[in-house]
Amino acid sequence: QSVLTQPPSVSGAPGQRVTISCTGSNSNIGAGYDVHWYQHLPGRAPKLFIFGDRYRPSGVPDRFSGSKSGTSASLTITGLQTEDEADYYCQSYDSTLSGYVFGSGTKVTVL
Amino acid sequence: VQLVESGGDLVQPGTSLRLSCATAGFTFDDFGMHWVRQSPGKGLEWVSHISWNSGTIEYADSLKGRFTVSRDNAKNSLYLEIRSLRVEDTALYYCARVGGTNTAFDIWGQGTMVTVSS
Repeated sequence: QSVLTQPPSVSGAPGQRVTISCTGSNSNIGAGYDVHWYQHLPGRAPKLFIFGDRYRPSGVPDRFSGSKSGTSASLTITGLQTEDEADYYCQSYDSTLSGYVFGSGTKVTVL
Repeated sequence: VQLVESGGDLVQPGTSLRLSCATAGFTFDDFGMHWVRQSPGKGLEWVSHISWNSGTIEYADSLKGRFTVSRDNAKNSLYLEIRSLRVEDTALYYCARVGGTNTAFDIWGQGTMVTVSS
């Protein structure tokens, strides 16, 4: 069972907006630790898409955005495209576990 | 910038294995490194972190005791030794670099597969 909870799947038509939630607790997200998001395509290396809650690395399209509030964080894709079909994981640090934690992962499907 | 894992194999339960991560394209001893694994059909699981000078070493609670992370800055390489392998250790093992100005895992390798089966 992951410390960070994500919905197993979200879907949307091309051009739509989808949001992936990442729910934690006061020992991780709520404690102020940064939340990062990764895109993982089958057979490929995971790729950092959002770091420090809301910052995009160079090369990541600006239709991807991140936010954080309280014990939760979100990744939003505004203007969904077919190439966005992938698994997405949130990640943070947990003070109770004294270790890094990943979310359970969300599969994004473009209808 | 490149990370290339190796050492994965099909092994029997109870044996040991040493994974390697060769790096290139950046100053290896400026960065901390992680190991992350993904079991078949499951999500990403953090395994271990080692700081740039090996001064800080951390493991996932559930894995403490059987896993040992190390690095050789002269060889630009990261290692993970796994002892007393269990069927549940079957996974694709990735190495990843710690971001320069943040705690994100900013560069990942393609992974090396470890299969534990009798």
